[in-house]
Amino acid sequence: SAVISQKPSRDICQRGTSLTIQCQVDSQVTMMFWYRQQPGQSLTLIATANQGSEATYESGFVIDKFPISRPNLTFSTLTVSNMSPEDSSIYLCSVGSQGYNEQFFGPGTRLTVL
Amino acid sequence: AQSVTQLDSQVPVFEEAPVELRCNYSSSVSVYLFWYVQYPNQGLQLLLKYLSGSTLVKGINGFEAEFNKSQTSFHLRKPSVHISDTAEYFCAVSDVDTNAGKSTFGDGTTLTVKP
Repeated sequence: SAVISQKPSRDICQRGTSLTIQCQVDSQVTMMFWYRQQPGQSLTLIATANQGSEATYESGFVIDKFPISRPNLTFSTLTVSNMSPEDSSIYLCSVGSQGYNEQFFGPGTRLTVL
Repeated sequence: AQSVTQLDSQVPVFEEAPVELRCNYSSSVSVYLFWYVQYPNQGLQLLLKYLSGSTLVKGINGFEAEFNKSQTSFHLRKPSVHISDTAEYFCAVSDVDTNAGKSTFGDGTTLTVKP
């Protein structure tokens, strides 16, 4: 299993600002995933972050809005840029298990944009 | 590509009653199937998973699910629920061949257990 921590756990931000979310894993992992969970909705994959390469974004998500860093095998950041109220969501970091038969999730970052 | 449909958005039940949360999926390839639970203000936790073999899988907290390939379903069941089972439940699928560790999730089912 993997233990994942995220910072901050929650934040309230003003429109037009940016927030960087940190994800720390207690073991080395190849791929990390960033999801968005809008209020009352399911999880939507934003991007896959591989160490040493550019993140791969899903349809509807772009690097300018959600830049991702992956400096090593245990850490990643997701920035939500130029925020609007529509960005109010829970942002979840996830990693795959060895063999990728299971995902482990962080506790999430609850973001409110005013 | 895969898709997941959770047929019930909300399921209210009384304590000690049985419950079934329904999940259908669509995929053109072989899949792995998962059920996750999300308690309030927490991340997702794996309840159980189907990878291969026996179609009846047992998970944590007394939950079980049955994989039905012909009906493309993976319904979650528990014979007697507790107040503490109140949570959001997500069904998920991933592609066996190009799994890469990521899953497609259903919209979730809110299980509310009443005393």
